[in-house]
Amino acid sequence: DVKVTQSSRYLVKRTGEKVFLECVQDMDHENMFWYRQDPGLGLRLIYFSYDVKMKEKGDIPEGYSVSREKKERFSLILESASTNQTSMYLCASSPGTGGLGPLVEQYFGPGTRLTVT
Amino acid sequence: AQTVTQSQPEMSVQEAETVTLSCTYDTSENNYYLFWYKQPPSRQMILVIRQEAYKQQNATENRFSVNFQKAAKSFSLKISDSQLGDTAMYFCAFMKPGAQKLVFGQGTRLTINP
Repeated sequence: DVKVTQSSRYLVKRTGEKVFLECVQDMDHENMFWYRQDPGLGLRLIYFSYDVKMKEKGDIPEGYSVSREKKERFSLILESASTNQTSMYLCASSPGTGGLGPLVEQYFGPGTRLTVT
Repeated sequence: AQTVTQSQPEMSVQEAETVTLSCTYDTSENNYYLFWYKQPPSRQMILVIRQEAYKQQNATENRFSVNFQKAAKSFSLKISDSQLGDTAMYFCAFMKPGAQKLVFGQGTRLTINP
């Protein structure tokens, strides 16, 4: 089974702190994603990576950065946390390069609920 | 840009009933994928079912089936013989082939009552 793990289930940080959210997958997937989930808005893509050291902005990258130094690990960084970044953060991974067929499924981690006070 | 709309924020049915969750989407693409994901309370999101737009036959996975109406850009999920374990948030999602990115709807919170 594919396993995607996230470093924390719950995190409380203060405004202005630098925050690191870590995600690790164990299936040698090329693609990794960071989403934030908010009530009424669904999931919105922050950043994704299709290879080591490669990254692309998603729909809401402002205030975030990412790092992918190893294939299995994808980190989300909040340079200076703000209260409007209080949310659930979900990491996901997927194999392949987007061709048709069974390679397109994304596998999700359990999520990190971040509260910024 | 693609958009996905789930117009039912919450639904509630009795155990063993059939329930249908609605999803509409907007795209100019002719080929794409559609998905339903399930997020149980405090548990990881998992894929329920997926549909490839070039396939006319509706996808089915045990008690879960979809009604895919390409012309109407509609992709509803039917859960038959609902069970307590079906209680979850359900998200409809869209993907262009090659894009790798999912576009999600707002979600529907489904509660199955005993």
